[in-house]
Amino acid sequence: EMQLVQSGAEVKKPGESLKISCKGSGYRFTSYLIAWVRQMPGKGLEWMGIIYGADSHLTYSPAFQGQVTISVDTTISTAYLQWSSLKASDTAIYYCARYSGYVNGMDVWGQGTTVTVSS
Amino acid sequence: EIVLTQSPGTLSLSPGDRATLSCRASQSVDSSYLAWYQQKPGQAPRLLIYGASSRATAIPDRFSGSGSGTDFTLTISRLEPEDFAVYYCQQYDNSRYTFGQGTKLEIK
Repeated sequence: EMQLVQSGAEVKKPGESLKISCKGSGYRFTSYLIAWVRQMPGKGLEWMGIIYGADSHLTYSPAFQGQVTISVDTTISTAYLQWSSLKASDTAIYYCARYSGYVNGMDVWGQGTTVTVSS
Repeated sequence: EIVLTQSPGTLSLSPGDRATLSCRASQSVDSSYLAWYQQKPGQAPRLLIYGASSRATAIPDRFSGSGSGTDFTLTISRLEPEDFAVYYCQQYDNSRYTFGQGTKLEIK
């Protein structure tokens, strides 16, 4: 079964750093891209960035460039999203999703990681 | 950046009704890169339609997509109780991916 399993919920204070993960299984990880998508409380989906598993080629949404860092470790089929200094406005659910060039869509989604930033 | 505008914001219908959801782009979109997703409360989104009109794996045939250029439509022919959810369109262009703001399909 193809799946993406994300790390668990996090509660952090403003200014703290954080790295969340997304582990792929059941498919060839390096043949697909992994996108990160933010969903703020009660709001819609926002594309943050995308990384290609094979060569780590990376594209950020202009809205998130410089705010987060996306990376991948192909040896363990895992993608990461990290912050160096969290803000309260980073409170959201973060989804990773496999982007398939075969269907040109995000066809496998992680379960989401809830990040809460509060003093 | 291409902006996707979905309408209506909320659609109130009854089971058995036909639902028509619209996604309009600020400039022309290659239909190969237009997708629709369904999101139920507390769940991750699910791919419904890709390439504007192709159903994803295991998606019932009551879901259909159409359109080209700047106007795209998701149609649900006969609503089932499990179809009441939020629907998003999404496009890819010039290394950018954008989502529409969503249409909430609620039970009337």
